[in-house]
This record gives sequence, C-alpha cells and structure tokens, in this order.
Amino acid sequence: EAGVAQSPRYKIIEKRQSVAFWCNPISGHATLYWYQQILGQGPKLLIQFQNNGVVDDSQLPKDRFSAERLKGVDSTLKIQPAKLEDSAVYLCASSWEGTGGETDTQYFGPGTRLTVL
Amino acid sequence: AQTVTQSQPEMSVQEAETVTLSCTYDTSESDYYLFWYKQPPSRQMILVIRQEAYKQQNATENRFSVNFQKAAKSFSLKISDSQLGDAAMYFCAYRSQGGYQKVTFGIGTKLQVIP
Repeated sequence: EAGVAQSPRYKIIEKRQSVAFWCNPISGHATLYWYQQILGQGPKLLIQFQNNGVVDDSQLPKDRFSAERLKGVDSTLKIQPAKLEDSAVYLCASSWEGTGGETDTQYFGPGTRLTVL
Repeated sequence: AQTVTQSQPEMSVQEAETVTLSCTYDTSESDYYLFWYKQPPSRQMILVIRQEAYKQQNATENRFSVNFQKAAKSFSLKISDSQLGDAAMYFCAYRSQGGYQKVTFGIGTKLQVIP
C-alpha cells in the first residue's frame, strides 16, 4: 500500500515570497490533515479536511495560509506571503474513517522542510 | 480543550535495557484514543502503539507496551530490549472520540540509545 506522498521535500524561499506544498493521501482515506512542526515542538494542526470539506481550520493563519482539497483526494497548502516564523516542517497525514479496524490512526507523509530567509 | 504533557525533553537508555517515557493529558471526555508516535531523524512520523480509553487492558506491540492509568490521566510508553533503531523523538497524542476527532500532540521526548 502506497503511503502519504508529499512534495517538495525541501524548499528555501525569501520572506514575502509565496510557496505551495502538495499532499496525496493514502487511497481511500477520507480525512486529510496539515500540520506545522516547528523545530523542537510537536506537530500543530493547521487544517483538517473530511473529504473535500473543512472540519477544523481554527489554527490556520488565514491572512496568509490557504488550503484546498479539490475532489476530496489530494491537497495543496499555500503560504502567501511567507514570514520568517513560517520556517518549519509541514506534515500531511491521512486517516480512514469508518467502523472497525484502525479507524483512528493517522498515517504521515515525509514532510516538507521550509526555510524562510 | 485537551492538553498533552510530556515532561521529559530527553531520555537515554543503554542498548538492550528498558526505558519508560511519560505522558499525561487533561480531558473532560470519557471516550478517546491515545497514541505514541515515533519520529526518527528522517522525520517520517510512524505509529508505535495506540490505546482506546474504554479498554482496561494495556496495549502491547512487540517490545513496546503502555501503562494506561485512566483515572490518573497517564499514558506511559515502555520500550523493552532497546535497540539503536529506537533512537528518535517520541510524541504522545490524544484524539477525541466525538465531533471531528481533533488530535493533540505533546512536545515530544528525544530518546538516545547508547551502544
């Protein structure tokens, strides 16, 4: 079974520039998550999708961050314009929501390390 | 809101020995899930073990086991026969059962395995 795919793996930009990250979840997983992980901290949820609808974006800085999940499959997270404090690893995860089995386990992608100069 | 506390920023263990990582959480819910995730230096986060709050029996996965104390809101991870490959950041996580099942992570414990 293919895992969660993310690209790019690394990105270096200057402040005020724009950047976009892509995530393709595990096939059949209805829920998709974007996390921000600053060095030395645990992952912080930015946005959670159920199929193509947003169920939680309370910690997403909406003045500069946006995310979409068209057709309920892959997703894009965008930052425009970037700030120095956005330097972090951006993790995408997905989970299968159903009855029985491993319904509540999140599977993570390798992450995108963003450096803002 | 739920909170997850990992009070040990760093831990070390001799190879083949046993180590216990601590985690406490705060919640008013009675039904929820708890997880331990491992994040090696390559940064791919992988699930180590999960525990359903309604189950009294502690979860076990090979060399990994938990000590789940629901009343004390404690969820520690025991790693037996530690191996060099166990060196990583370990994150404790809480997931609500109801609503949209938000997941909250602790800040992590860095585990060093000494040969």
